[in-house]
Amino acid sequence: GESVGLHLPTLSVQEGDNSIINCAYSNSASDYFIWYKQESGKGPQFIIDIRSNMDKRQGQRVTVLLNKTVKHLSLQIAATQPGDSAVYFCAEISNSGYALNFGKGTSLLVTP
Amino acid sequence: KAGVTQTPRYLIKTRGQQVTLSCSPISGHRSVSWYQQTPGQGLQFLFEYFSETQRNKGNFPGRFSGRQFSNSRSEMNVSTLELGDSALYLCASSLESDREGSPLHFGNGTRLTVT
Repeated sequence: GESVGLHLPTLSVQEGDNSIINCAYSNSASDYFIWYKQESGKGPQFIIDIRSNMDKRQGQRVTVLLNKTVKHLSLQIAATQPGDSAVYFCAEISNSGYALNFGKGTSLLVTP
Repeated sequence: KAGVTQTPRYLIKTRGQQVTLSCSPISGHRSVSWYQQTPGQGLQFLFEYFSETQRNKGNFPGRFSGRQFSNSRSEMNVSTLELGDSALYLCASSLESDREGSPLHFGNGTRLTVT
């Protein structure tokens, strides 16, 4: 069956550095991916999405890269700030089209 | 524009009781989804509603049910509560479904504790 997993459970970076959060997926039929950020006590917050017909998409300080050959997704955060400290989830659309399959999450800690 | 609103924020119930959680989607959003979040299982899909119809259901027992009203507001109900139902229940809304490129927008959840 399909699954979404993350390579690293925790990531610690210094303020100002760039962060890279990775995600692997197993369903080659997946065609839509989303990154969410969840801060303590809050629900997941949409960051950026990408369709499978794209390799790269950029937002404000964030870039998502999609490598369909190896079924790998990454989220790059430029000039990481303390406010970026949170758990980051990648998600893919399920085969039904109405549900998201979430990875377990990566905890990003930004140190001064 | 107001975000997704979930009430109550916290609930403490006893095993065997039942509970109803409420969700008001973003204005104009017609799709409402529910997810359960636990430390062990992560985020798991419960069900999705669109125009008062359940379009998809996750792998949860029949004790978990939901409904959507004509104004798109939604409720979920859990009957005969078990200790393992303790979790953060998240509601999310979107204009349509994610297949249309309309991402889910989540509320801050209802924290349910079953004792």
